[in-house]
Amino acid sequence: EAAVTQSPRNKVAVTGGKVTLSCNQTNNHNNMYWYRQDTGHGLRLIHYSYGAGSTEKGDIPDGYKASRPSQENFSLILELATPSQTSVYFCASGRQGSAETLYFGSGTRLTVL
Amino acid sequence: GNSVTQMQGQVTLSEEEFLFINCTYSTTGYPTLFWYVQYPGEGPQLLLKVTTANNKGSSRGFEATYDKGTTSFHLQKASVQESDSAVYYCVLGEGTGGYKVVFGSGTRLLVSP
Repeated sequence: EAAVTQSPRNKVAVTGGKVTLSCNQTNNHNNMYWYRQDTGHGLRLIHYSYGAGSTEKGDIPDGYKASRPSQENFSLILELATPSQTSVYFCASGRQGSAETLYFGSGTRLTVL
Repeated sequence: GNSVTQMQGQVTLSEEEFLFINCTYSTTGYPTLFWYVQYPGEGPQLLLKVTTANNKGSSRGFEATYDKGTTSFHLQKASVQESDSAVYYCVLGEGTGGYKVVFGSGTRLLVSP
């Protein structure tokens, strides 16, 4: 069974603070993704990675950085958190190729005060 | 660029009624179309996918086909159950790069007993 684990499950941060969201996958998938989910927008792609050491900008990368130190781990970093980044964040993994299934974690609910 | 439009933000049905959710897509390539389902507190998960126009995908009583001529992709189920209550996302995947996966805004299905 494919497994993607996100931590923390919930996070409260202060404006201007640094936030790191973590994701671990045991699927041995090359591709990993970070999405945010907001009402009325569905899921929007922030950053993605094709493998260890690679990160690419998605559709809404401003204010976010990503890090892929290994095949298994992919982090999303908010250097200076703002209230507009309050959202639910999902990590996903998938094999190469857009016809492949994406496997999602359970999400991290981030609130920036 | 690629895009997906789901016009139905919410659908409310009673058990055993017929479900039909439509979406339209835009792409210059050769897409694979997916329906993902998201239950409360969980990440999205694959419901079914269709890789070829006019072919039918099916899973758990749901069926989907996409029409290349009208660039539409619909999901249907003959008789819904309360347990089908969830958010359904139409998703387009195209190209060799995994990032070319585009989510629609989602349709919330509420089924009353």
